[in-house]
Amino acid sequence: KAGVTQTPRYLIKTRGQQVTLSCSPISGHRSVSWYQQTPGQGLQFLFEYFSETQRNKGNFPGRFSGRQFSNSRSEMNVSTLELGDSALYLCASRGQGASYEQYFGPGTRLTVT
Amino acid sequence: KNEVEQSPQNLTAQEGEFITINCSYSVGISALHWLQQHPGGGIVSLFMLSSGKKKHGRLIATINIQEKHSSLHITASHPRDSAVYICAVRGETSGSRLTFGEGTQLTVNP
Repeated sequence: KAGVTQTPRYLIKTRGQQVTLSCSPISGHRSVSWYQQTPGQGLQFLFEYFSETQRNKGNFPGRFSGRQFSNSRSEMNVSTLELGDSALYLCASRGQGASYEQYFGPGTRLTVT
Repeated sequence: KNEVEQSPQNLTAQEGEFITINCSYSVGISALHWLQQHPGGGIVSLFMLSSGKKKHGRLIATINIQEKHSSLHITASHPRDSAVYICAVRGETSGSRLTFGEGTQLTVNP
């Protein structure tokens, strides 16, 4: 089975721009979660989608949004980028049931200049 | 106080040493994960625990639900074990949402 894939792997944007990141989960996984990792704040939960519905949301401003498609692929969007949005963005997919593990993608490294 | 606390933050060991990383949490959980992150960012899940003990090769993870504490042990450490080890918990009612500790930077010298 193919693992979780994320595109693009690296991205450089300018303050004020917007960005869309993509995540393709492991086949059959319907839950996709997004995380932000920065040196100062560590790993933080952004949101989780399950069967095209946002099931959970972290404490991030409304500039951060996401969606999930019927094939479970997910996108996250950050509008009006700020320097502090520079981070590694990770997605993870998980199968149904409490015993299922999360599998992480390689991440997208976003640099905002 | 963070919901998930790890110790130590940094750990340097000589090849062959036995290593222990600790994790304490303050919330009810459905599972606890031990994750490994190498430079470059990729995260690998080492263990997912909800009770007891698991072993995989030289790695052992234990959890005490009553004391809200987990440990990750590495026996016969090797320089390739050098990485950041992260403890993460999944709350009882939080779906797939994980809350993370700050991580432990492990360096194993030859």
